[in-house]
Amino acid sequence: GQQLNQSPQSMFIQEGEDVSMNCTSSSIFNTWLWYKQDPGEGPVLLIALYKAGELTSNGRLTAQFGITRKDSFLNISASIPSDVGIYFCAGYGGSQGNLIFGKGTKLSVKP
Amino acid sequence: DAGITQSPRYKITETGRQVTLMCHQTWSHSYMFWYRQDLGHGLRLIYYSAAADITDKGEVPDGYVVSRSKTENFPLTLESATRSQTSVYFCASRWGTADSPLHFGNGTRLTVT
Repeated sequence: GQQLNQSPQSMFIQEGEDVSMNCTSSSIFNTWLWYKQDPGEGPVLLIALYKAGELTSNGRLTAQFGITRKDSFLNISASIPSDVGIYFCAGYGGSQGNLIFGKGTKLSVKP
Repeated sequence: DAGITQSPRYKITETGRQVTLMCHQTWSHSYMFWYRQDLGHGLRLIYYSAAADITDKGEVPDGYVVSRSKTENFPLTLESATRSQTSVYFCASRWGTADSPLHFGNGTRLTVT
């Protein structure tokens, strides 16, 4: 079946640094979604991308839908302690089945 | 407040017991889902429902039962709990249109002793 490879698995960064993470697949996706999960909470939608090449921002977060439709990127600028959590990519593939999730990127921020 | 709520937040049960996790959403979303989240496995789909009285298996359905008699409720039952079902369970819902994002509840942490 379709799979999403998310990297890196974890990141330890200093407050104020920029962060990049990505998601790749061997097959085409029609929609990319990025979620954040705080400790003890459910995932919360950050950004939704619906068109190849689309670049969308949400505050300090920017995500892009890759032009090949096989990847997506999430960037966080000037990280702060509350950015700590697990970030998940997710996508709907060409078969329009259920949402497929990456395994997540765990972000730790040192003040 | 509108949204999706799960209960209980925490549950400890013994092997062999039946336990039901509740999920209620106020958005009138047609689709509802149950996931389990375990270290190293990410989010795995247990069951989903496209509408009242329509349910379907996900990736890991064995040992679980669902029902959906009303659009807003989607309970998940472990008929005879096993230690391997110790996990965090998330309910989610979305609109029926293609590519709609999922909206998650805050989870139920279940421990089977």
